[in-house]
Amino acid sequence: KAGVTQTPRYLIKTRGQQVTLSCSPISGHRSVSWYQQTPGQGLQFLFEYFSETQRNKGNFPGRFSGRQFSNSRSEMNVSTLELGDSALYLCASSYADRGGRELFFGEGSRLTVL
Amino acid sequence: GQSLEQPSEVTAVEGAIVQINCTYQTSGFYGLSWYQQHDGGAPTFLSYNALDGLEETGRFSSFLSRSDSYGYLLLQELQMKDSASYFCAVRGRDDKIIFGKGTRLHILP
Repeated sequence: KAGVTQTPRYLIKTRGQQVTLSCSPISGHRSVSWYQQTPGQGLQFLFEYFSETQRNKGNFPGRFSGRQFSNSRSEMNVSTLELGDSALYLCASSYADRGGRELFFGEGSRLTVL
Repeated sequence: GQSLEQPSEVTAVEGAIVQINCTYQTSGFYGLSWYQQHDGGAPTFLSYNALDGLEETGRFSSFLSRSDSYGYLLLQELQMKDSASYFCAVRGRDDKIIFGKGTRLHILP
């Protein structure tokens, strides 16, 4: 079956703009989580959704937001972009609620903020 | 605070065995996971330990000691394709998923 799909794969924005990233989980998976990955910092947890409900949110400013749709697809939005938002944004899906045991990751969306 | 500590880099020789350690400090604990990530690729799940002991999956094994808040990933018969970054991860009591900063594994021929 198809894996986790993230779009767009690459994008360039300028400071002050906003961006929306999309994630389509594996068919049947209802849990989606988002991570920011920067060199040397590993994966930083952004938020997690299950059945359209935000389960948890990481320690990021309110400029970072997300949502999940009834078909389990998820989007995250970053408003008023800053240079420090340049990163690889990864989405992961799992079947179960609070699926921390095994996450299936997409290839990520690489955001560059100029 | 909650954190996971793992070495930033490890170097080993092709065909050898290497161990990547992970110590964690969390307010709760629901198991330790390991992921592999090649440059430019997505992290892929390797192993999970909920209970103390060793879990073996082919050339990869993972160990957990809950009393020591410690785990490790063991890679045997190293191959060049094992050159990648390896991350440990836990879900804490606050339900947030925490990843270590990753260990870069270099393999020498």
